[in-house]
Amino acid sequence: GIQVEQSPPDLILQEGANSTLRCNFSDSVNNLQWFHQNPWGQLINLFYIPSGTKQNGRLSATTVATERYSLLYISSSQTTDSGVYFCAAARRGATNKLIFGTGTLLAVQP
Amino acid sequence: EPEVTQTPSHQVTQMGQEVILRCVPISNHLYFYWYRQILGQKVEFLVSFYNNEISEKSEIFDDQFSVERPDGSNFTLKIRSTKLEDSAMYFCASSVMVAGNTIYFGEGSWLTVV
Repeated sequence: GIQVEQSPPDLILQEGANSTLRCNFSDSVNNLQWFHQNPWGQLINLFYIPSGTKQNGRLSATTVATERYSLLYISSSQTTDSGVYFCAAARRGATNKLIFGTGTLLAVQP
Repeated sequence: EPEVTQTPSHQVTQMGQEVILRCVPISNHLYFYWYRQILGQKVEFLVSFYNNEISEKSEIFDDQFSVERPDGSNFTLKIRSTKLEDSAMYFCASSVMVAGNTIYFGEGSWLTVV
């Protein structure tokens, strides 16, 4: 099956700093999503982005499908951005079975 | 934005008991899923469901587990004879199509087996 790897595993930022999270995947995909898991365990859907670039406020994401990676950019980070960021991908084909990476734990300090 | 809703938010059960976790997928969605996340680990796929049938399942989804769409709105996960290692957050999810579109996740149900 498809392998999904995320880096870095942990990241500590000062409030206001920018960051880039990376997701590598091992196969062609028809679904790639970024999630933020908040301290209560809820998975918040950030982006559906199997290719291209999207922006939503301070967050943006880019997926280069031909090179099998995706990047999540967080600008002007806030303490509420803290939590775990997961990338998840589904291999191209008649499936929507998402394989999750191990996540990046982000801590934004005031 | 439409939501996937799950109940209960948290359940504590004795080892060996049966548990039913309930989900209401987004109303026009046709594909339904259960995922689980053991504390501190990544989220894992359990099963996908379409047209009243299981369309795909993982190795985790053994005979202890079953899914059902008992009516037009609910989607349930039943865990028979729970074990300590079943303690996890269980996420329900839904999507419009089988591939190439956003999967929306519910807020999760924490299951603690004691």
